[in-house]
Amino acid sequence: AQSVTQLGSHVSVSEGALVLLRCNYSSSVPPYLFWYVQYPNQGLQLLLKYTSAATLVKGINGFEAEFKKSETSFHLTKPSAHMSDAAEYFCAVSDSGGYQKVTFGTGTKLQVIP
Amino acid sequence: DGGITQSPKYLFRKEGQNVTLSCEQNLNHDAMYWYRQDPGQGLRLIYYSQIVNDFQKGDIAEGYSVSREKKESFPLTVTSAQKNPTAFYLCASSNRQIDTQYFGPGTRLTVL
Repeated sequence: AQSVTQLGSHVSVSEGALVLLRCNYSSSVPPYLFWYVQYPNQGLQLLLKYTSAATLVKGINGFEAEFKKSETSFHLTKPSAHMSDAAEYFCAVSDSGGYQKVTFGTGTKLQVIP
Repeated sequence: DGGITQSPKYLFRKEGQNVTLSCEQNLNHDAMYWYRQDPGQGLRLIYYSQIVNDFQKGDIAEGYSVSREKKESFPLTVTSAQKNPTAFYLCASSNRQIDTQYFGPGTRLTVL
């Protein structure tokens, strides 16, 4: 069974500060991991995905995530927050890729304070 | 432009009525998915289909039905049996090669 936990339903950062959104997963096999972003009343947009090729994954808009097997974590970071980063972020896990069943976390809303 | 379209964007329904949400994709993806999103609960899988004329129940299929008569289309019917249908509904698609789900813009359903 696969599951994902996002710590913190709301995170606030100042503009220009580090963004850190936490995600821990559970999977019985090496997982596929995803981060998506959602702006209000819109669909989800893929930020990045991990498929075992490299532990540090770079995505769009300056975001990156590091896969840490020992910690079962896949935290999302960005060195400097921008006002346009304010959105809801979802971590997701799949035992066998995006073509199969994907389990989503409950989301973290990021607020960026000017 | 390739992508996923969902219509309508906003939908209002009276209690006891069935309603159908449209999802169309021109990405030539084999698989399509329907999710329900409620505040604080993330996305929950309703149904998915990996091939035409075949589909599987997800985690919360009760009160919903789907069909997959064409590769491009995967409509979702919210029936009167769904006790709490007010939610944001998202459609997605993927294929084996890309191995990532891509999402449509969503339909917000409100039951009056």
